[in-house]
Amino acid sequence: NAGVTQTPKFRVLKTGQSMTLLCAQDMNHEYMYWYRQDPGMGLRLIHYSVGEGTTAKGEVPDGYNVSRLKKQNFLLGLESAAPSQTSVYFCASGFGWEKKNIQYFGAGTRLSVL
Amino acid sequence: RKEVEQDPGPFNVPEGATVAFNCTYSNSASQSFFWYRQDCRKEPKLLMSVYSSGNEDGRFTAQLNRASQYISLLIRDSKLSDSATYLCVVNTHGASGTYKYIFGTGTRLKVLA
Repeated sequence: NAGVTQTPKFRVLKTGQSMTLLCAQDMNHEYMYWYRQDPGMGLRLIHYSVGEGTTAKGEVPDGYNVSRLKKQNFLLGLESAAPSQTSVYFCASGFGWEKKNIQYFGAGTRLSVL
Repeated sequence: RKEVEQDPGPFNVPEGATVAFNCTYSNSASQSFFWYRQDCRKEPKLLMSVYSSGNEDGRFTAQLNRASQYISLLIRDSKLSDSATYLCVVNTHGASGTYKYIFGTGTRLKVLA
């Protein structure tokens, strides 16, 4: 049972480059989320989705875009990477409010922007 | 003031000790509460939900105090494998139908042999 799978696990970008992070879940969850985690700060929500074809902004959405074309996949895009986007990115999924919103996390993507 | 606050620690305790962490939250409309565990360079994993009446799972006990707006986690008979960062998570459901899942910065625990 794979759960939540993120690719890639590591990536180094130069300022201005673009990339897409992929998140896939096999638990039939409606809700999916992208967070970033920085030293001394809690996980912060970037964007989330409450179902296929829907997306919404979280706490720190600037510089990121997302898409949820299929229920099991949630993509996070960086169009023009900046050093401030150096972080660890976690994807999560869950059944949402009805199931107390317990979230299941992927293993993370460590991104460095030089 | 942060929405969810935790003492960052580290808490260094000997094996077999009992240790307790507190977490305070600022939004009185918060409705569900959790403790997650995060090992170094790993993803957060749910440790336990926190119920109003308090709940226990083996050596772990969670308590909620709505009047004072804090939750606590008690670990008895600490094991080396309990060494990790413990994240307090508060879920608030807003009137507009949106909700926020707010993470504390975590409390680091190191259990010493």
